[in-house]
Amino acid sequence: EAGVTQFPSHSVIEKGQTVTLRCDPISGHDNLYWYRRVMGKEIKFLLHFVKESKQDESGMPNNRFLAERTGGTYSTLKVQPAELEDSGVYFCASSQNTLDTQYFGPGTRLTVL
Amino acid sequence: SQQGEEDPQALSIQEGENATMNCSYKTSINNLQWYRQNSGRGLVHLILIRSNEREKHSGRLRVTLDTSKKSSSLLITASRAADTASYFCATERMDSSYKLIFGSGTRLLVRP
Repeated sequence: EAGVTQFPSHSVIEKGQTVTLRCDPISGHDNLYWYRRVMGKEIKFLLHFVKESKQDESGMPNNRFLAERTGGTYSTLKVQPAELEDSGVYFCASSQNTLDTQYFGPGTRLTVL
Repeated sequence: SQQGEEDPQALSIQEGENATMNCSYKTSINNLQWYRQNSGRGLVHLILIRSNEREKHSGRLRVTLDTSKKSSSLLITASRAADTASYFCATERMDSSYKLIFGSGTRLLVRP
């Protein structure tokens, strides 16, 4: 069974540009989560989808971040326009049910110059 | 402060020794999960322990949970150089949110 995959593995952009990160959850997992770890800080929750619906987006830092999960399969996280403080590693995770194990992808390392 | 605080922040041991990492948290939880992250790579799930469980084993891993003290420990027995990684505990709180709250992690170095 394939795990959670993320694309790209690494993205380097300039301040003000737009970047879109993609996450493919484990097949059959209705729950999809985005987290990020910015420089030297803890891994922090961004948002949670149940199928295509946003269950909890309390961790989204501001309106420059937009997450979608059309069709309830893969998800995208768009940052527009990117700022220097957005640099970090963005993780996606999925679980079959809430309260189950969340399986993480390898992460996308975002560098904003 | 952040829920899910690991202790110690860094640990260096000799191969073959046991490694113990602790995690404390603040609010009531549904479960607590331990993850490992090798340098520059993704998070690998190690073990999940639910709030009604006190101890779980998986291979060389042993996790305990004390909900009265709001703490958990991860024991790695007979450590190997390949166990060198950062270890994180993450709690899922007992509220309507299913997000994980991570601590800052323990960096484990196992010397050959």
